[in-house]
Amino acid sequence: QKEVEQNSGPLSVPEGAIASLNCTYSDRGSQSFFWYRQYSGKSPELIMFIYSNGDKEDGRFTAQLNKASQYVSLLIRDSQPSDSATYLCAVWETSGSRLTFGEGTQLTVNP
Amino acid sequence: SAVISQKPSRDICQRGTSLTIQCQVDSQVTMMFWYRQQPGQSLTLIATANQGSEATYESGFVIDKFPISRPNLTFSTLTVSNMSPEDSSIYLCSVERSGRAGDTQYFGPGTRLTVL
Repeated sequence: QKEVEQNSGPLSVPEGAIASLNCTYSDRGSQSFFWYRQYSGKSPELIMFIYSNGDKEDGRFTAQLNKASQYVSLLIRDSQPSDSATYLCAVWETSGSRLTFGEGTQLTVNP
Repeated sequence: SAVISQKPSRDICQRGTSLTIQCQVDSQVTMMFWYRQQPGQSLTLIATANQGSEATYESGFVIDKFPISRPNLTFSTLTVSNMSPEDSSIYLCSVERSGRAGDTQYFGPGTRLTVL
């Protein structure tokens, strides 16, 4: 079982729609969760971080965390073509003291 | 966030040679990390480099192949030694500014390495 799993892509949504990206993790003791955006040929850019159960909103982005289900998600409202990128879920694993990344979900927003 | 630079931004190297990648941060940070991103794949942690101590390597990565230096709180180098085509990847450094384990990491622009 992979330590951090993301929903398989690619994901394609029309402009203006809500894009939903999902991630599950195996280390039950994990406390810190991150979403990074990576454009092709560029390095990862932090979008959101979340530490507590529930929702955290920042502009068009909402991160959702459910530690009991070991599940974290990212919602992108009013998706724009500029949101087209690979989104990486990352979990700080306290057991190994490392940030572990999922394989990424490629999102395409169609005009 | 943090302003992080890496040198070189890209390089093409011959098999059997070594390349040293530099990572410079605009302010002092306790924790620096080196990652590898192979083509079409996600990020894999190579090692954690804290100033004043030996780098801690992840399973599958050894110091002889990937020696790391951390001479001060704003600078680190990663050397890829005795390169083979399998080492062709993007190498990324990241920093954690707070010094608290599990806090946000910010990434440099990366070094794209091609080994022929």
